[in-house]
Amino acid sequence: RKEVEQDPGPFNVPEGATVAFNCTYSNSASQSFFWYRQDCRKEPKLLMSVYSSGNEDGRFTAQLNRASQYISLLIRDSKLSDSATYLCVVRAGNMLTFGGGTRLMVKP
Amino acid sequence: DAMVIQNPRYQVTQFGKPVTLSCSQTLNHNVMYWYQQKSSQAPKLLFHYYDKDFNNEADTPDNFQSRRPNTSFCFLDIRSPGLGDAAMYLCATSRDPAGANVLTFGAGSRLTVL
Repeated sequence: RKEVEQDPGPFNVPEGATVAFNCTYSNSASQSFFWYRQDCRKEPKLLMSVYSSGNEDGRFTAQLNRASQYISLLIRDSKLSDSATYLCVVRAGNMLTFGGGTRLMVKP
Repeated sequence: DAMVIQNPRYQVTQFGKPVTLSCSQTLNHNVMYWYQQKSSQAPKLLFHYYDKDFNNEADTPDNFQSRRPNTSFCFLDIRSPGLGDAAMYLCATSRDPAGANVLTFGAGSRLTVL
């Protein structure tokens, strides 16, 4: 089993749709959680950190479920510009582990 | 302004011809990382420096070496590139390796091996 797992997708959604991705992690000692966005042939960029109580940034909501060891990202009112790969990143101590990413394609 | 700068952005080399990729940062971060990312895969950590302390990942081939002459610069040397080393090489920095510190990535250096 991979340490950090994501559904690779692609998730094909129409503009305006709500879409959610999950990311499961195997290390129960994981302490910090992040979502990064990576556009095609570009570098990953931090989208948001994930806090224990959940957090929201505009159309994006991140949640953490420690009991079931997963984090989620919800995107409301999808825009064409949201099309990208979303990488889940989990830190345990000094170890950072990336998920394989979930590809989102928002269609007109 | 770019805070983590990688050069060159694109590098073409021949099989077995050494390559050096560079990374510089203006963030004064203590940690610098080198990742290898192949198409549709997660970034794979090759090694990182915490200040001057070098930390190699167990499965990083000996073909890959790194140097950090000062806080701002870090280099990735590929001594004898093979076809399988064609990838995007990402440099990243963070304030320290633990806690909630996020990574800041450079734009990457895309390596093609002929």
